[in-house]
Amino acid sequence: GPKVLQIPSHQIIDMGQMVTLNCDPVSNHLYFYWYKQILGQQMEFLVNFYNGKVMEKSKLFKDQFSVERPDGSYFTLKIQPTALEDSAVYFCAIEDSSYEQYFGPGTRLTVL
Amino acid sequence: AQSVTQPDARVTVSEGASLQLRCKYSYFGTPYLFWYVQYPRQGLQLLLKYYPGDPVVQGVNGFEAEFSKSNSSFHLRKASVHWSDWAVYFCAVSSSNTNKVVFGTGTRLQVLP
Repeated sequence: GPKVLQIPSHQIIDMGQMVTLNCDPVSNHLYFYWYKQILGQQMEFLVNFYNGKVMEKSKLFKDQFSVERPDGSYFTLKIQPTALEDSAVYFCAIEDSSYEQYFGPGTRLTVL
Repeated sequence: AQSVTQPDARVTVSEGASLQLRCKYSYFGTPYLFWYVQYPRQGLQLLLKYYPGDPVVQGVNGFEAEFSKSNSSFHLRKASVHWSDWAVYFCAVSSSNTNKVVFGTGTRLQVLP
């Protein structure tokens, strides 16, 4: 299936700082998703993004979160400012025309 | 709202034994159901998916699942488990009403030699 890259695999930042998580879908898709997985727990939907707009977001998608695809390639999740409870693995996913979602390997965010 | 329940947090089976991982769901609209596998330090990989049609769906690596509307279930099965199947398995649902995928809490499969 389509490849999804997430670089870096791990980010460590101090509480209160801004962080941007990058997702590179490699091939062109219109639907993007971010999911959050706290260690050992289920994956939880944060937001989906279609054609430049946020379509749905969960209650986990706090005001400090924002998403964009500024240059038509990378899809980003920005958290500003970060909080301790933002420590988790964040997975990016793309969706194809048959509703299948393909996940990246995740970025582990550690907020100190 | 859509929801998924995986009642077994952990399942242990011997290599070569058969396997069933349970999943119960609720949804609005037409359900689309998925099983994903997550190996350590990796993202999710799709095992199989159900769209309205044949209730038994075949997936990769010998996995299959059966959709039951009457039981609101979508259990995952495998006839003979291999040690490489040791992973966490997530059941998920979306529907024709939304693109959002809702995941269960996962079942950790442990395979004994």
